[in-house]
Amino acid sequence: EVQLVESGGGLIQPGGSLRLSCVVSGFTVSSTYMSWVRQAPGKGLEWVSVLYDGGSTYYADSAKGRFTISRDNSRNTVYLQMNSLRAEDTAVYFCARVGAQSRNWGSFDFWGQGTLVTVSS
Amino acid sequence: DIQMTQSPSSLSASVGDRVTITCRASQSISSYLNWYQQKPGKAPKLLISGASSLQSGVPSGFSGSGSGTDFTLTISSLQPEDFATYYCQQSYSTPWTFGQGTKVEI
Repeated sequence: EVQLVESGGGLIQPGGSLRLSCVVSGFTVSSTYMSWVRQAPGKGLEWVSVLYDGGSTYYADSAKGRFTISRDNSRNTVYLQMNSLRAEDTAVYFCARVGAQSRNWGSFDFWGQGTLVTVSS
Repeated sequence: DIQMTQSPSSLSASVGDRVTITCRASQSISSYLNWYQQKPGKAPKLLISGASSLQSGVPSGFSGSGSGTDFTLTISSLQPEDFATYYCQQSYSTPWTFGQGTKVEI
């Protein structure tokens, strides 16, 4: 059974840092694409970052230079390191597996339950 | 960046109704269009990928169509469990972007 479990969210002051974790079971993170997607309270979905199996990474402009996606193959875990946090980063952060076949390329086929990050003084 | 625009933003419908949601891309995205359903407090669920490919386990009452810039999600006969918010998402090029959502209410 596929499971993605996020953790690491919480209340953080503006300018602070936080590292989110996504522990995966049911597939191997090193052989697939993984993403982070966020949702501000009462708002829509926003893609944040993707990590390809080969190690390439891409970011939304809102995350570029401040967020870093990475993985630990031995722990089958994906991370999102978030620095210089701003109030507008307040959101539920979901990790998701990204489809890599022609019929599901770039879709998010499995999701975690999300972890809430609140940036406030 | 590719902008995705959904319409309507919300709609009221009854059980048994046929519902159509449209999604328009600001440039051609071929068939790299995905649809999600999200219920309050839950993660989104992938319904359709590649504009028209129904995901395993998704009821056959859901269907998707379109290519290029114009796409539709159709629910042939609305069921009580279908009341939710629906999002389209383009996966043609990064940054991958979502529509603003369509809330389907009673």
